[in-house]
Amino acid sequence: AQSVTQLGSHVSVSEGALVLLRCNYSSSVPPYLFWYVQYPNQGLQLLLKYTTGATLVKGINGFEAEFKKSETSFHLTKPSAHMSDAAEYFCAVSGSGGGADGLTFGKGTHLIIQP
Amino acid sequence: GAVVSQHPSWVICKSGTSVKIECRSLDFQATTMFWYRQFPKQSLMLMATSNEGSKATYEQGVEKDKFLINHASLTLSTLTVTSAHPEDSSFYICSAGLAGGRGNIQYFGAGTRLSVL
Repeated sequence: AQSVTQLGSHVSVSEGALVLLRCNYSSSVPPYLFWYVQYPNQGLQLLLKYTTGATLVKGINGFEAEFKKSETSFHLTKPSAHMSDAAEYFCAVSGSGGGADGLTFGKGTHLIIQP
Repeated sequence: GAVVSQHPSWVICKSGTSVKIECRSLDFQATTMFWYRQFPKQSLMLMATSNEGSKATYEQGVEKDKFLINHASLTLSTLTVTSAHPEDSSFYICSAGLAGGRGNIQYFGAGTRLSVL
């Protein structure tokens, strides 16, 4: 069984400030971890993923996340927020069995960028 | 590359009617497609996993007779909401996994907003 907890349904930061979106997961098997972004009335776009190897992963739009097994965390960061980053962000987990597995999503964090 | 098209983007129907939603992988073959449901301001919940040429696997609590899934080819999966009722109103999103792909990368459609009157 797997689960994802995203702390904070809403996060507000000033433009140019650090963005930190928190994600903790629970998984009985080695996980694959993902961050997706959703803009209003659109589908999900993959920001980045962790499968194996380097625990610090870089994604699109300047985002990165670090897999910390000891803390069961996969927090998303961006050094400097931009107005276009305002969106809903979802953390997700799946098994790493090699096949295609459905994703278990967190409840999402709405990122608000203050001018 | 890796574009998933979902149609229609929005549908309104009367209670008791059936609605079909299509999910197509436009530039790749998807052996596995997934259907998710998203309630307002909530997360996506996996409904079912669809493999080409075989019956879909439904998550616990999802009525397979209510939500009919067909995956007839490597590029097309359909979800039919049968005898829709207002409680079926939701945002339905499909995703497709690359055939032979690693890392469980899924590409998502833009979603279908279903409103049942």
